[in-house]
Amino acid sequence: EDKVVQSPLSLVVHEGDTVTLNCSYEVTNFRSLLWYKQEKKAPTFLFMLTSSGIEKKSGRLSSILDKKELFSILNITATQTGDSAVYLCAGASNDYKLSFGAGTTVTVRA
Amino acid sequence: KAGVTQTPRYLIKTRGQQVTLSCSPISGHRSVSWYQQTPGQGLQFLFEYFSETQRNKGNFPGRFSGRQFSNSRSEMNVSTLELGDSALYLCASSLALVGADTQYFGPGTRLTVL
Repeated sequence: EDKVVQSPLSLVVHEGDTVTLNCSYEVTNFRSLLWYKQEKKAPTFLFMLTSSGIEKKSGRLSSILDKKELFSILNITATQTGDSAVYLCAGASNDYKLSFGAGTTVTVRA
Repeated sequence: KAGVTQTPRYLIKTRGQQVTLSCSPISGHRSVSWYQQTPGQGLQFLFEYFSETQRNKGNFPGRFSGRQFSNSRSEMNVSTLELGDSALYLCASSLALVGADTQYFGPGTRLTVL
């Protein structure tokens, strides 16, 4: 069975701090790794990573995939209170399935 | 482009009843996936449909079923509801022509079983 593990489960930081979220995966027929942000509603898409070592960036967020070691990292720099959310990572397979981790709850204090 | 829409947004049912949830994907997306989200289990994959065919399903009992219509709209049905079926049911659409692809989620249907 596919397995996606995120760490830490939760963290509290102050505005301006940098956070690093981890995601390890064991997904049969692995295709890509996706990151989502979930506030009190549906998950919103952040990144899709398919190649090792190529960093994807969007503003203060960046992410990278290591397909040899089977993990991904999501970084958020200069955090703001609006970054408070649950961050989900998911392994996507060639048989049309996303397997999600439990998520990391990030709380940013002013 | 309009996003993924789900109806109804909230439902209250009693044990033993059945329920049907509806999902309309983003225009042009032919893949629709369904997930159950609970505080204890997180997001769990239910099934995925493409062009009216189920291509994959998760580990849920047969009480959970779905279908997709020719216009890519999808419905999910849960029969003989149990208390443990109380959850947020999310549907997501994508292109997914070859393998799983970026999925865009609807707002969800919050089901409460009393």
